[in-house]
Amino acid sequence: DAGITQSPRYKITETGRQVTLMCHQTWSHSYMFWYRQDLGHGLRLIYYSAAADITDKGEVPDGYVVSRSKTENFPLTLESATRSQTSVYFCASSDGPEAFFGQGTRLTVV
Amino acid sequence: AQSVTQLDSQVPVFEEAPVELRCNYSSSVSVYLFWYVQYPNQGLQLLLKYLSGSTLVKGINGFEAEFNKSQTSFHLRKPSVHISDTAEYFCAVSFQGAQKLVFGQGTRLTINP
Repeated sequence: DAGITQSPRYKITETGRQVTLMCHQTWSHSYMFWYRQDLGHGLRLIYYSAAADITDKGEVPDGYVVSRSKTENFPLTLESATRSQTSVYFCASSDGPEAFFGQGTRLTVV
Repeated sequence: AQSVTQLDSQVPVFEEAPVELRCNYSSSVSVYLFWYVQYPNQGLQLLLKYLSGSTLVKGINGFEAEFNKSQTSFHLRKPSVHISDTAEYFCAVSFQGAQKLVFGQGTRLTINP
């Protein structure tokens, strides 16, 4: 399917476990982003990537790791999940001013 | 610091009434401005954007917004809302052409029959 796809849509994990959220886009956009959405904070940027093998920190990067070996994929890894990382995570891509968002992954850390 | 503030966390209105959702940003550099809408359990969808030109921007679903540079505002308006407009609305700003967006806190629009 064309567009931007996130998986899984829902995930429950335990504190201390490693978890990876996947993001795949079919537009060959240069830029990809990871945001987290929390009540009262809107969306906050975790990491972004300008191209394959180029990544940079956003506003709230602590506890997260990203990689981008291929233009179309931008996985987000929580190395040791904490309850404070319970959130809805959105991946986005862009090749101009407008960003296109995935459906989101709702992550619960128990 | 560059920031975006949505002045109302919740806005309840009656169906067919007009609505205004407020957005202010803090910056002295050039900006691109966006409004996104999020329906329940869905991703974000672009409503409208201001990149340059006319300060009055029209978007989808009858929404419009006006860029006021002196007030550093980008308020969203609709003259007559419908039940289907119930959603969360986010103002977002790109500062000085940067690809990354800075979002406001969101405004929950609730339409009452």
